Amino acid sequence: GIQVEQSPPDLILQEGANSTLRCNFSDSVNNLQWFHQNPWGQLINLFYIPSGTKQNGRLSATTVATERYSLLYISSSQTTDSGVYFCAVETHNYGQNFVFGPGTRLSVLP
Amino acid sequence: EAQVTQNPRYLITVTGKKLTVTCSQNMNHEYMSWYRQDPGLGLRQIYYSMNVEVTDKGDVPEGYKVSRKEKRNFPLILESPSPNQTSLYFCASSLGGKPNTEAFFGQGTRLTVV
Repeated sequence: GIQVEQSPPDLILQEGANSTLRCNFSDSVNNLQWFHQNPWGQLINLFYIPSGTKQNGRLSATTVATERYSLLYISSSQTTDSGVYFCAVETHNYGQNFVFGPGTRLSVLP
Repeated sequence: EAQVTQNPRYLITVTGKKLTVTCSQNMNHEYMSWYRQDPGLGLRQIYYSMNVEVTDKGDVPEGYKVSRKEKRNFPLILESPSPNQTSLYFCASSLGGKPNTEAFFGQGTRLTVV
């Protein structure tokens, strides 16, 4: 099956710093989404981005499907950005069985 | 507001006592699914449903049942819960039936079986 890798596994930032999270996947995908899991366990949709670039406030994402990677940029980080960031991909099968990456655990210090 | 709603958010139960976790979506989505999240194992799909009365097993279906009698609801049933089903559960929905459709996840249900 498809493999999804994320890097770095852990990241500690000072408030206000910028960061880039990476997601690599081993096969072509129908769909790619980025999620933020907050300390209470909720999964928050950040981006639906099978290809191209999107921006939402301080966050932006780019997926280069032909090269099988996606990047999530966080600028001017805030303590509320802390949590785990997951990349999830859907392969070319009917239906939607997401394969999740292992996540990047981000801690933003005040 | 478009959303997927799970209930309860937190549940502690005893081994063998049947329970149901409800999931409801208000987006008229055809496709719904359940995942469980465990430390070191990530999120894994339990069951999915492509439409009313159509359900199928995901990667880890043992010990679970589902039903899809209405489009908006997709309950997860544990007939005889065991401690190894202690986990964080998520319900998800999407338009389905075609590629490139965004999935929406519920808030999660934290289940503890003692």
